[in-house]
Amino acid sequence: AQTVTQSQPEMSVQEAETVTLSCTYDTSESDYYLFWYKQPPSRQMILVIRQEAYKQQNATENRFSVNFQKAAKSFSLKISDSQLGDAAMYFCAYRSAGANSKLTFGKGITLSVRP
Amino acid sequence: DAGVIQSPRHEVTEMGQEVTLRCKPISGHDYLFWYRQTMMRGLELLIYFNNNVPIDDSGMPEDRFSAKMPNASFSTLKIQPSEPRDSAVYFCASSYRSFSGNTIYFGEGSWLTVV
Repeated sequence: AQTVTQSQPEMSVQEAETVTLSCTYDTSESDYYLFWYKQPPSRQMILVIRQEAYKQQNATENRFSVNFQKAAKSFSLKISDSQLGDAAMYFCAYRSAGANSKLTFGKGITLSVRP
Repeated sequence: DAGVIQSPRHEVTEMGQEVTLRCKPISGHDYLFWYRQTMMRGLELLIYFNNNVPIDDSGMPEDRFSAKMPNASFSTLKIQPSEPRDSAVYFCASSYRSFSGNTIYFGEGSWLTVV
């Protein structure tokens, strides 16, 4: 079974600075998808960024980018120019490209942004 | 396109009562997921459907929980009888599985409080 580990329960960043959130996963599959979701206090799950395992290029969405290291099974999220609105809980998630298509989440990390 | 629509957004009920949560997935999506989120256990997958057929219900906590998907545009999650430990945010999510797809989109959640 696949597992997703987010070992840091909390992080803090100064506004306008850069922060990196860590995530590792365990799988025996070669084809899969990785995601970062943001959950603000409203509790809505918002997709931040997605990475296909077969792509070597790291995904980027505006101020958000990932460092995908397939061999190391690592998938970190970098937030540049942090804004107050980035304060939220962030979840790393894994989804198989195969028949078992459920989304497996890490426990999440709470990010606070200091003004 | 409208997103995943869940109802009710908030519900407070007394222990022993039946609770029904409803979900309308994004049109055209062939996967539907029910997740539960609590402080203690994080995000748990309860059950998911593919083309209206339940694929994996191993996350359903006990016989008090049941889920149905009578058609492609509607699903219910029922708890009968409800207990205080069922208090949580319940998310419905959907996706269209394609070569370039696989992103799972979440509804805003149903906040359930059982007193």
